[in-house]
Amino acid sequence: RKEVEQDPGPFNVPEGATVAFNCTYSNSASQSFFWYRQDCRKEPKLLMSVYSSGNEDGRFTAQLNRASQYISLLIRDSKLSDSATYLCVVQGGFKTIFGAGTRLFVKA
Amino acid sequence: GAVVSQHPSRVICKSGTSVKIECRSLDFQATTMFWYRQFPKQSLMLMATSNEGSKATYEQGVEKDKFLINHASLTLSTLTVTSAHPEDSSFYICSARRGRSSSYEQYFGPGTRLTVT
Repeated sequence: RKEVEQDPGPFNVPEGATVAFNCTYSNSASQSFFWYRQDCRKEPKLLMSVYSSGNEDGRFTAQLNRASQYISLLIRDSKLSDSATYLCVVQGGFKTIFGAGTRLFVKA
Repeated sequence: GAVVSQHPSRVICKSGTSVKIECRSLDFQATTMFWYRQFPKQSLMLMATSNEGSKATYEQGVEKDKFLINHASLTLSTLTVTSAHPEDSSFYICSARRGRSSSYEQYFGPGTRLTVT
């Protein structure tokens, strides 16, 4: 089993749609969780951290469920510019593990 | 956010030659730097972790004699791909972190696209 697993993509959605990505992790001792965004042929950029209480940043909402070892990212009112690959990242101790990423295409 | 640069951004080399890629943290001191490799349509794969002044820790399956990593200062790490082969063609990305603990944010460089002919 992979240490971090994400929904397979790609997700193709129309502008304005709401889309949700899921991610599971295997190490129960993991401490920090993030969502990164990666555009084609570019480096990953931090989108948001994920806190136990859940957190929101504009159209983006991230949630963490430690009991189920599961994190999610919800994007509301999708924009064309949201098209990218979204990477789930789990950290514990000195180690950072990236998920394989989920590709999102937002269409006009 | 903090800035990490990589040089070169793109390099084409012949099979059998060596290529050096530099990673610099421009506005902070990076205790820990990471080197990743990413093949098309695949996720980032961690190659090695280096702490300043220490030998790099390589992930399983990564040849340390082929991918030489040097982290001689708090702002510079280098990755040298020795005796490059076409299968080494990939996108190499470094990232830097202020401290050893994973509670510190990682900042990524813009990546280096290596093509070995």
